Amino acid sequence: DTAVSQTPKYLVTQMGNDKSIKCEQNLGHDTMYWYKQDSKKFLKIMFSYNNKELIINETVPNRFSPKSPDKAHLNLHINSLELGDSAVYFCASSQVSRQGVSGYTFGSGTRLTVV
Amino acid sequence: SQQGEEDPQALSIQEGENATMNCSYKTSINNLQWYRQNSGRGLVHLILIRSNEREKHSGRLRVTLDTSKKSSSLLITASRAADTASYFCATVPSGANNLFFGTGTRLTVIP
Repeated sequence: DTAVSQTPKYLVTQMGNDKSIKCEQNLGHDTMYWYKQDSKKFLKIMFSYNNKELIINETVPNRFSPKSPDKAHLNLHINSLELGDSAVYFCASSQVSRQGVSGYTFGSGTRLTVV
Repeated sequence: SQQGEEDPQALSIQEGENATMNCSYKTSINNLQWYRQNSGRGLVHLILIRSNEREKHSGRLRVTLDTSKKSSSLLITASRAADTASYFCATVPSGANNLFFGTGTRLTVIP
Protein backbone atom coordinates (compact mmCIF):
# COMPACT_ATOMS: atom_id res chain seq x y z
CA ASP A 1 0.00 0.00 0.00
CA THR A 2 3.00 2.30 0.43
CA ALA A 3 2.68 5.13 -2.08
CA VAL A 4 6.37 5.99 -2.39
CA SER A 5 8.78 3.40 -1.15
CA GLN A 6 12.53 3.66 -1.05
CA THR A 7 15.15 1.13 -0.06
CA PRO A 8 17.24 0.71 1.88
CA LYS A 9 16.13 2.69 4.94
CA TYR A 10 19.66 2.77 6.32
CA LEU A 11 22.93 2.53 4.42
CA VAL A 12 26.37 2.55 6.02
CA THR A 13 29.31 2.35 3.67
CA GLN A 14 32.95 3.25 3.33
CA MET A 15 34.40 6.18 1.47
CA GLY A 16 35.07 5.48 -2.16
CA ASN A 17 32.33 2.89 -2.54
CA ASP A 18 29.54 3.05 -5.10
CA LYS A 19 25.97 2.62 -3.87
CA SER A 20 22.40 2.82 -5.11
CA ILE A 21 19.12 3.80 -3.51
CA LYS A 22 15.92 2.57 -5.10
CA CYS A 23 12.59 4.38 -5.28
CA GLU A 24 9.22 3.26 -6.54
CA GLN A 25 5.83 4.99 -6.59
CA ASN A 26 2.44 3.40 -7.21
CA LEU A 27 0.46 6.63 -7.47
CA GLY A 28 0.63 6.94 -11.23
CA HIS A 29 2.41 10.29 -10.87
CA ASP A 30 4.35 11.54 -13.85
CA THR A 31 7.21 13.24 -12.06
CA MET A 32 9.69 11.96 -9.48
CA TYR A 33 12.35 13.71 -7.44
CA TRP A 34 15.32 13.21 -5.20
CA TYR A 35 15.97 15.52 -2.26
CA LYS A 36 18.86 15.65 0.17
CA GLN A 37 18.28 16.64 3.80
CA ASP A 38 21.41 17.60 5.70
CA SER A 39 22.11 17.53 9.42
CA LYS A 40 20.50 20.97 9.83
CA LYS A 41 17.31 19.66 8.22
CA PHE A 42 17.75 21.77 5.08
CA LEU A 43 16.06 20.08 2.13
CA LYS A 44 17.62 20.61 -1.28
CA ILE A 45 16.35 19.29 -4.57
CA MET A 46 18.84 17.16 -6.45
CA PHE A 47 16.90 15.94 -9.48
CA SER A 48 13.47 16.04 -10.98
CA TYR A 49 12.48 13.64 -13.72
CA ASN A 50 9.50 12.81 -15.85
CA ASN A 51 9.37 10.76 -18.98
CA LYS A 52 10.31 13.79 -20.98
CA GLU A 53 12.90 15.67 -19.07
CA LEU A 54 15.62 15.30 -16.46
CA ILE A 55 16.43 18.44 -14.56
CA ILE A 56 19.60 18.39 -12.54
CA ASN A 57 20.39 20.86 -9.78
CA GLU A 58 23.66 22.34 -10.96
CA THR A 59 25.16 22.09 -7.49
CA VAL A 60 24.88 18.29 -7.44
CA PRO A 61 28.21 16.57 -8.12
CA ASN A 62 28.27 14.38 -11.20
CA ARG A 63 29.06 11.43 -8.93
CA PHE A 64 25.30 11.37 -8.39
CA SER A 65 23.18 10.05 -11.24
CA PRO A 66 19.46 9.24 -11.43
CA LYS A 67 18.28 6.27 -13.43
CA SER A 68 14.66 5.74 -14.37
CA PRO A 69 13.77 2.39 -15.97
CA ASP A 70 10.12 3.48 -16.14
CA LYS A 71 7.89 6.25 -14.85
CA ALA A 72 7.24 4.43 -11.57
CA HIS A 73 10.90 4.14 -10.62
CA LEU A 74 13.70 6.63 -10.05
CA ASN A 75 16.86 5.17 -8.58
CA LEU A 76 19.82 7.15 -7.32
CA HIS A 77 23.36 5.98 -8.01
CA ILE A 78 26.28 7.47 -6.15
CA ASN A 79 29.87 6.84 -7.19
CA SER A 80 33.00 7.33 -5.11
CA LEU A 81 31.15 8.19 -1.92
CA GLU A 82 32.58 10.95 0.25
CA LEU A 83 32.10 11.79 3.93
CA GLY A 84 30.08 14.87 2.95
CA ASP A 85 27.52 12.69 1.20
CA SER A 86 26.23 11.55 4.60
CA ALA A 87 22.63 12.75 4.83
CA VAL A 88 19.06 11.58 4.53
CA TYR A 89 17.91 11.19 0.95
CA PHE A 90 14.23 11.46 0.12
CA CYS A 91 12.44 10.33 -2.99
CA ALA A 92 9.15 12.02 -3.89
CA SER A 93 6.58 12.06 -6.63
CA SER A 94 3.93 14.46 -7.87
CA GLN A 95 1.54 15.04 -10.73
CA VAL A 96 1.99 18.02 -13.01
CA SER A 97 -1.16 19.42 -14.58
CA ARG A 98 -2.16 22.59 -16.38
CA GLN A 99 -2.75 24.13 -12.96
CA GLY A 100 0.80 23.35 -11.92
CA VAL A 101 2.34 20.76 -9.70
CA SER A 102 0.36 18.98 -6.99
CA GLY A 103 1.46 18.24 -3.46
CA TYR A 104 4.40 15.89 -3.26
CA THR A 105 4.27 12.43 -1.75
CA PHE A 106 7.53 11.57 -0.04
CA GLY A 107 9.17 8.28 0.76
CA SER A 108 10.33 7.61 4.29
CA GLY A 109 13.94 8.42 3.50
CA THR A 110 17.28 6.66 3.31
CA ARG A 111 19.83 7.59 5.96
CA LEU A 112 23.23 7.33 4.30
CA THR A 113 26.30 7.27 6.51
CA VAL A 114 29.72 7.31 4.89
CA VAL A 115 32.57 6.24 7.16
CA SER B 1 18.72 31.00 -3.64
CA GLN B 2 15.05 30.18 -3.93
CA GLN B 3 14.91 28.74 -0.46
CA GLY B 4 12.47 30.44 1.88
CA GLU B 5 12.87 31.26 5.50
CA GLU B 6 10.61 30.36 8.37
CA ASP B 7 10.01 32.09 11.61
CA PRO B 8 10.34 31.14 14.37
CA GLN B 9 12.97 28.43 14.08
CA ALA B 10 11.53 26.76 17.16
CA LEU B 11 8.22 27.13 18.99
CA SER B 12 7.11 25.56 22.25
CA ILE B 13 3.49 25.80 23.40
CA GLN B 14 1.07 24.13 25.77
CA GLU B 15 -1.49 21.66 24.49
CA GLY B 16 -4.70 23.46 23.51
CA GLU B 17 -2.94 26.67 22.48
CA ASN B 18 -2.69 27.88 18.91
CA ALA B 19 0.58 27.74 16.99
CA THR B 20 1.49 30.20 14.24
CA MET B 21 4.41 29.73 11.88
CA ASN B 22 5.49 32.21 9.24
CA CYS B 23 7.24 31.74 5.94
CA SER B 24 8.85 34.28 3.63
CA TYR B 25 10.04 33.61 0.12
CA LYS B 26 11.83 35.47 -2.64
CA THR B 27 10.38 34.75 -6.08
CA SER B 28 6.95 34.86 -7.68
CA ILE B 29 5.20 31.57 -7.17
CA ASN B 30 2.67 29.23 -8.70
CA ASN B 31 1.72 27.75 -5.35
CA LEU B 32 2.95 27.37 -1.78
CA GLN B 33 2.72 24.19 0.25
CA TRP B 34 3.15 23.23 3.89
CA TYR B 35 4.60 19.93 5.06
CA ARG B 36 5.05 18.22 8.40
CA GLN B 37 7.99 16.01 9.30
CA ASN B 38 7.97 13.90 12.41
CA SER B 39 11.38 13.03 13.83
CA GLY B 40 13.12 10.41 11.70
CA ARG B 41 10.28 10.22 9.22
CA GLY B 42 9.42 11.47 5.74
CA LEU B 43 7.52 14.64 4.94
CA VAL B 44 3.75 14.66 4.85
CA HIS B 45 1.88 17.12 2.66
CA LEU B 46 -0.57 19.23 4.67
CA ILE B 47 -2.02 21.88 2.43
CA LEU B 48 -1.47 23.66 -0.90
CA ILE B 49 -2.47 27.26 -1.57
CA ARG B 50 -2.33 28.74 -5.07
CA SER B 51 -0.99 32.18 -5.85
CA ASN B 52 -4.48 33.52 -6.55
CA GLU B 53 -5.81 32.33 -3.18
CA ARG B 54 -5.48 34.24 0.07
CA GLU B 55 -6.65 31.76 2.67
CA LYS B 56 -7.28 28.06 2.94
CA HIS B 57 -8.52 25.78 5.70
CA SER B 58 -8.10 22.08 6.37
CA GLY B 59 -9.38 20.78 9.70
CA ARG B 60 -7.41 22.58 12.43
CA LEU B 61 -5.06 24.13 9.88
CA ARG B 62 -5.43 27.61 8.42
CA VAL B 63 -3.01 28.92 5.82
CA THR B 64 -2.81 32.48 4.56
CA LEU B 65 -0.85 33.80 1.61
CA ASP B 66 0.16 37.38 0.89
CA THR B 67 1.88 37.48 -2.49
CA SER B 68 2.54 41.23 -2.24
CA LYS B 69 4.66 40.58 0.85
CA LYS B 70 5.86 37.18 -0.37
CA SER B 71 4.81 35.58 2.88
CA SER B 72 2.57 32.87 4.24
CA SER B 73 1.48 31.70 7.65
CA LEU B 74 0.32 28.39 9.03
CA LEU B 75 -1.98 28.40 12.04
CA ILE B 76 -2.66 25.21 13.96
CA THR B 77 -5.57 25.65 16.33
CA ALA B 78 -6.15 23.74 19.56
CA SER B 79 -2.77 22.06 19.33
CA ARG B 80 -2.19 18.49 20.50
CA ALA B 81 0.94 16.69 21.64
CA ALA B 82 0.75 14.70 18.38
CA ASP B 83 1.31 17.96 16.46
CA THR B 84 4.91 17.99 17.71
CA ALA B 85 7.00 17.95 14.53
CA SER B 86 8.95 20.14 12.14
CA TYR B 87 6.87 22.18 9.73
CA PHE B 88 8.21 23.30 6.37
CA CYS B 89 6.84 25.69 3.83
CA ALA B 90 7.78 25.07 0.23
CA THR B 91 7.23 27.13 -2.89
CA VAL B 92 6.78 26.25 -6.53
CA PRO B 93 8.22 29.21 -8.46
CA SER B 94 6.29 30.51 -11.42
CA GLY B 95 7.11 28.48 -14.51
CA ALA B 96 8.74 25.69 -12.53
CA ASN B 97 7.56 22.34 -11.22
CA ASN B 98 10.04 21.88 -8.41
CA LEU B 99 9.46 22.52 -4.73
CA PHE B 100 11.92 24.70 -2.85
CA PHE B 101 11.79 24.27 0.89
CA GLY B 102 12.10 26.76 3.70
CA THR B 103 14.28 26.24 6.73
CA GLY B 104 11.53 24.78 8.89
CA THR B 105 9.98 25.46 12.29
CA ARG B 106 10.39 22.94 15.05
CA LEU B 107 7.09 22.84 17.00
CA THR B 108 6.89 21.24 20.43
CA VAL B 109 3.47 20.85 22.04
CA ILE B 110 3.71 20.17 25.75
CA PRO B 111 0.96 17.91 27.16
